[in-house]
Order: sequence, then structure tokens, then C-alpha cells
Amino acid sequence: GAGVSQTPSNKVTEKGKYVELRCDPISGHTALYWYRQSLGQGPEFLIYFQGTGAADDSGLPNDRFFAVRPEGSVSTLKIQRTERGDSAVYLCASSLGTGLSGANVLTFGAGSRLTVL
Amino acid sequence: DQQVKQNSPSLSVQEGRISILNCDYTNSMFDYFLWYKKYPAEGPTFLISISSIKDKNEDGRFTVFLNKSAKHLSLHIVPSQPGDSAVYFCAASGAGGSNYKLTFGKGTLLTVNP
Repeated sequence: GAGVSQTPSNKVTEKGKYVELRCDPISGHTALYWYRQSLGQGPEFLIYFQGTGAADDSGLPNDRFFAVRPEGSVSTLKIQRTERGDSAVYLCASSLGTGLSGANVLTFGAGSRLTVL
Repeated sequence: DQQVKQNSPSLSVQEGRISILNCDYTNSMFDYFLWYKKYPAEGPTFLISISSIKDKNEDGRFTVFLNKSAKHLSLHIVPSQPGDSAVYFCAASGAGGSNYKLTFGKGTLLTVNP
């Protein structure tokens, strides 16, 4: 597609429920990233995929969070037993490859706003 | 511990004047710096970047200056336009060999008044 597409744009759920957030990166982009932006903060790194594998998942806050990218394109961020503190905008980004430079920058989607009641 | 700091939450300037947004960082391993711009309900959009081997990079109305000894960078917008009103995020990468991971500041809300 022309840009990074994220669905849903808005998700309201109850504490304890399971949530899935989807990201469709730019066609041909091998690298995919998830970031989380809480209110009043900048985006914070969660996980980075190169192809199908998670090359760095050091930003995932705990084992309730998991992400997959089974075919090297679409990715799903999964959150189990949601808590009120999980409320944030979850941003997905993609890039042509690794190694940020003037020619290789992250392109972000509009984000999925998650509200846990 | 915030490794990238934007100490001004907001900035207001008149149309046509210069906007200067500042950013400080603490990790000397950062070697690549970027500015992203964000409108409400949209994702951050890449604006301009600079490598640590340079001290200035210019793209049209936007110029980024890097002072490595002071661990400080700034974004200059000249002349400012009302359409520049947005949240501006400073970001850095390269620490610990991770040239793919961005560390963001909290952002500065720029308002350009007509």
C-alpha cells in the first residue's frame, strides 16, 4: 500500500480482556517496528522485526505483550489480560531495511488508540 | 531515565519569524539524529535528519544543527508558516549498536500564529 496501515484506529476494551492490533507495512519494506506512545510522552520502542523474525523485543514491557509477523509482511501485536496502564497509542512503522540513514527512515502509521476501562 | 530531552513542552511564534526547537541527549553513543513532526490523529512524519559526522543539515526551510560536545541539537524553521503548527519530536539512534531503534523526546508543540 501507499502507507503504513493500522487497524483498528480505536479500540476500547475492559480490563482483563485480550486485544489484537494489526499493522500492514509499506509493500517491500522488510523492517517493521512497534512503538507505544502514552499521554504526554514520546513514542517508546517495543519490538523490531527483520523479515519474519523478531530481531529485538527488548522493549516489550512484560510477557502479556507478544507480536508476530508470520509471512514477513503484516504484523499483529497481541496483548493479554489488558490493564488500565496499557492505554496508549500503539504505533507501527516500517522501513526498507536496517541501518537508519537519510535514505532509510521509519514511516509510521496513524496508530491504534487503545483504551482499557 | 530520559536519554533524549525536549525541555520546552510548547513554543509559539509569529508567521514569517524563525522557530527554534531544542533537544538535548545524554547518551554519547547516539550517532544519528532525526526530527519527526506529528499532526493530531496522524502518525509521526519524518522531517529531517543528521549524522554525527556533520554539524549542520539543511532542507528548504528546515535546518538541523548538531553540537556533539554539548550533546545538543536544534531545529530551525525559517520562515515559519501556520501549517508548521504541530508537535515536533527529536529522536536519536545508534546507542549500543542498535542502528534501528529510535529513542524519542517528549515533543514540543509548535504553534505558528498568522
